[in-house]
Amino acid sequence: TAGITQAPTSQILAAGRSMTLRCTQDMRHNAMYWYRQDLGLGLRLIHYSNTAGTTGKGEVPDGYSVSRANTDDFPLTLASAVPSQTSVYFCASSEDSSGANVLTFGAGSRLTVL
Amino acid sequence: GQNIDQPTEMTATEGAIVQINCTYQTSGFNGLFWYQQHAGEAPTFLSYNVLDGLEEKGRFSSFLSRSKGYSYLLLKELQMKDSASYLCAVMHSNYQLIWGAGTKLIIKP
Repeated sequence: TAGITQAPTSQILAAGRSMTLRCTQDMRHNAMYWYRQDLGLGLRLIHYSNTAGTTGKGEVPDGYSVSRANTDDFPLTLASAVPSQTSVYFCASSEDSSGANVLTFGAGSRLTVL
Repeated sequence: GQNIDQPTEMTATEGAIVQINCTYQTSGFNGLFWYQQHAGEAPTFLSYNVLDGLEEKGRFSSFLSRSKGYSYLLLKELQMKDSASYLCAVMHSNYQLIWGAGTKLIIKP
């Protein structure tokens, strides 16, 4: 089934450790996004990529980094995790980055930082 | 500032109609989206409005008034499976989405 695959599904991480959340799409979408979702708040954009080889900062980029070496993969790295990064992380993609770009979301990665 | 407001929670009865409102204040406007998110799952696309008026899609309809900064999602003939959170999102002038916190809809038999 075409779509977005995220891994891991859930993870418990000690503060100060690094972690990479993986995201792969097979729809040949140009744009990809990382969001975090916290109770009582709307989805917040962490980083995005409009096309392979380019990335940009979203609303809450501090403490996170991304890369977009190819069209399909868009990993999110936490270099030194802190408890405030406990959240559900969603990767999403869209055909392009403008207009009526409908997002397709992955199933999410639940991260707990202790 | 940029802000999207929607009710935190609503309750409705199976078979009835419910209207979920969304008001927004954003710098620029390139369309408004509604997504559905069941508990523990990913959001899925429901509707997109960029012009004023009503867009109907089966049991779901979405309305937009750009002058009032207002949209609503109308769900008819409610089914138990419609129990979910409904997320309003506005695309502003740089084509990035600003998301509301979502409205949790509880359907009772």
